[in-house]
Amino acid sequence: QVQLQESGPGLVKPSQTLSLTCTVSGGSISSGSYYWSWIRQPAGKGLEWIGRIYTSGSTSYNPSLKSRVTISIDTSKNQFSLKLTSVTAADTAVYYCASQLGYFDYWGQGALVTVSS
Amino acid sequence: EIVLTQSPATLSLSPGERATLSCRASQSISNYLAWYQQKPGQAPRLLFYDASNRATGIPARFSGSGSGTDFTLTISSLEPEDFAVYYCQQRTNWPPMITFGPGTKVDIK
Repeated sequence: QVQLQESGPGLVKPSQTLSLTCTVSGGSISSGSYYWSWIRQPAGKGLEWIGRIYTSGSTSYNPSLKSRVTISIDTSKNQFSLKLTSVTAADTAVYYCASQLGYFDYWGQGALVTVSS
Repeated sequence: EIVLTQSPATLSLSPGERATLSCRASQSISNYLAWYQQKPGQAPRLLFYDASNRATGIPARFSGSGSGTDFTLTISSLEPEDFAVYYCQQRTNWPPMITFGPGTKVDIK
C-alpha cells in the first residue's frame, strides 16, 4: 500500500517561501499513471487543490495560486515537493500531499504550516 | 471554473437515521465526481469515485448517485463512526482543474 509523508518547516515568515516535501513509500513514484498533488486546508475550512505533477515532470496548478507555486519531482528519492513564494498569513494551513489516479486515493497525514513573524 | 455547492451545510441526525447529502455543480461534469469523508485531525478518505463507484473498504451503507450537475451521497443507517465532514470533488481534464465543495458536516443530534 502506498504511503505518503509530508515534511518541512512548520513556521514560515511572511514574504518568504514555504517549502514542503512528500516522501512516497510502498511503491515507486514513477510507476503507473499517478499524478502527485498538493492540497491545503486552513483551520476549520475546506479543501483547496494547489497543483499536481506527473512522473514526466508535467505540472498543473490552481490558477488562483499559479503565480506563486512550483511543484517538482525527484524520482531517485521517490519524493515530490512544493514551493509557495511570497507567503502571507492567508497561506497558513494544513498541507496534504496525495496521489491521484483520477481521484485522491492516498493521502499523507498533513503538515501544519503557520505563516507568522 | 466549475463551482460545487453542497447542502445542507450541517445535518444533525441520530445514529440509525438515514443521511442524504447533496452536491450540485455549476455546469455539467458528467460523472466526474468523488466523495470524501474527513474526521477531525485526519486526512480525507475517498468514499466514491466517478459518482457511484465505492472505494475499497467502504461499507455498503454508503451509496453515491447522480450525473450531470446533481449528485447525492446517502448513508442508509448512520453508525457512530459516520459523524464527520463530507466533501465532494470534481475534476476537469482540460484545462486540468480540481475543485472541492465546501463540505457538509454530519453531527450527532
